[in-house]
Amino acid sequence: DAEITQSPRHKITETGRQVTLACHQTWNHNNMFWYRQDLGHGLRLIHYSYGVQDTNKGEVSDGYSVSRSNTEDLPLTLESAASSQTSVYFCASSESRLAGGNTQYFGPGTRLTVL
Amino acid sequence: AQKVTQAQTEISVVEKEDVTLDCVYETRDTTYYLFWYKQPPSGELVFLIRRNSFDEQNEISGRYSWNFQKSTSSFNFTITASQVVDSAVYFCALSAGIQYNFNKFYFGSGTKLNVKP
Repeated sequence: DAEITQSPRHKITETGRQVTLACHQTWNHNNMFWYRQDLGHGLRLIHYSYGVQDTNKGEVSDGYSVSRSNTEDLPLTLESAASSQTSVYFCASSESRLAGGNTQYFGPGTRLTVL
Repeated sequence: AQKVTQAQTEISVVEKEDVTLDCVYETRDTTYYLFWYKQPPSGELVFLIRRNSFDEQNEISGRYSWNFQKSTSSFNFTITASQVVDSAVYFCALSAGIQYNFNKFYFGSGTKLNVKP
């Protein structure tokens, strides 16, 4: 069955370290997204990609970067982790079959703690 | 600007009660899409429904029903005869913006539903 996976599921790191969160989908979806979830804020978009070599900033992109070298993967990198980046991170993907409004399917999430 | 408001932060009901979760959206686009997702205590996000702006028919799926009213910019979700397994955080989301191919989602802050036995 097609799926979307994230690794690691839990991560503890120290302030200032570089951290990369992996996202891998086997849906063959063109669209991929990274969100962070914090209490009271719902899900906020960090970065998104509509295909290989395409990346775009979301509403809370400062301190984060992504790259898309193939269809299946969109790794999220925290260049220099800060305590404010302690959060739960979700990756999602959607097809681009429709003109728009394609349903996003989410990975299980990564809980990141920055000490 | 696109915005979704879920004014109910937390709702508690007793099993078998009906409960309605409110969702109010803002967009200037005439074409847009609305979604509901469920996040149970285990943490994953589960897709429930997708509705486009041209289809105002209400939808029913088992104990779940959705009421879409463009006149009030609302897309409310009702659970009939609630069960403990319905306990979760529910998110409403809007997809709008032709410049993003309508693929960017704007999420509400979520409503936590507690169903007590």
